Amino acid sequence: NAGVTQTPKFRVLKTGQSMTLLCAQDMNHEYMYWYRQDPGMGLRLIHYSVGEGTTAKGEVPDGYNVSRLKKQNFLLGLESAAPSQTSVYFCASSRMDRDGNTIYFGEGSWLTVV
Amino acid sequence: GNSVTQMEGPVTLSEEAFLTINCTYTATGYPSLFWYVQYPGEGLQLLLKATKADDKGSNKGFEATYRKETTSFHLEKGSVQVSDSAVYFCALSSNTGKLIFGQGTTLQVKP
Repeated sequence: NAGVTQTPKFRVLKTGQSMTLLCAQDMNHEYMYWYRQDPGMGLRLIHYSVGEGTTAKGEVPDGYNVSRLKKQNFLLGLESAAPSQTSVYFCASSRMDRDGNTIYFGEGSWLTVV
Repeated sequence: GNSVTQMEGPVTLSEEAFLTINCTYTATGYPSLFWYVQYPGEGLQLLLKATKADDKGSNKGFEATYRKETTSFHLEKGSVQVSDSAVYFCALSSNTGKLIFGQGTTLQVKP
């Protein structure tokens, strides 16, 4: 009963380093999302994907890249990490059905850039 | 564009008190509305949802009614418990699939 799984859960990076966060979902969902959560700002959408091979920018895409090569995976990359990217990152997935679009979240990845 | 506004927190209540967390939205078309809950150190969990006007979502004693005339989706619970202490997020989903969140409201329930 995995749902949405994110790795790694915790990571400390030095400024300028690169890394990739991996998100995997086993619900055969079409839509996948990456959000960041910062104190007092709720969740902000970084990038999202409406299907395999497609990606789109959200509210705060700068400094991030994404790829959706397989339907079940959605990768978030930081090419050159900055302290402003210290945050908690949440992946999510969803499928549009007759009840609308219900989104399921992973447990989060805590990233610190020093 | 679409947006969600929640009442600012923290909201501090005594156990068994009545809870209301206000949420209003701005959207084109007919969005679906959601409340998510985040317990300390965890991800977001869907609490309840409503997909059309006048629908009432309910779960674990929480309720919210989709009010199109006032563009609101206020969260209520008749008697809160210490275990309800968490951050609550109101959100809307447009027909493009994107989920837009409010800034979150922290609820603290004291015994």
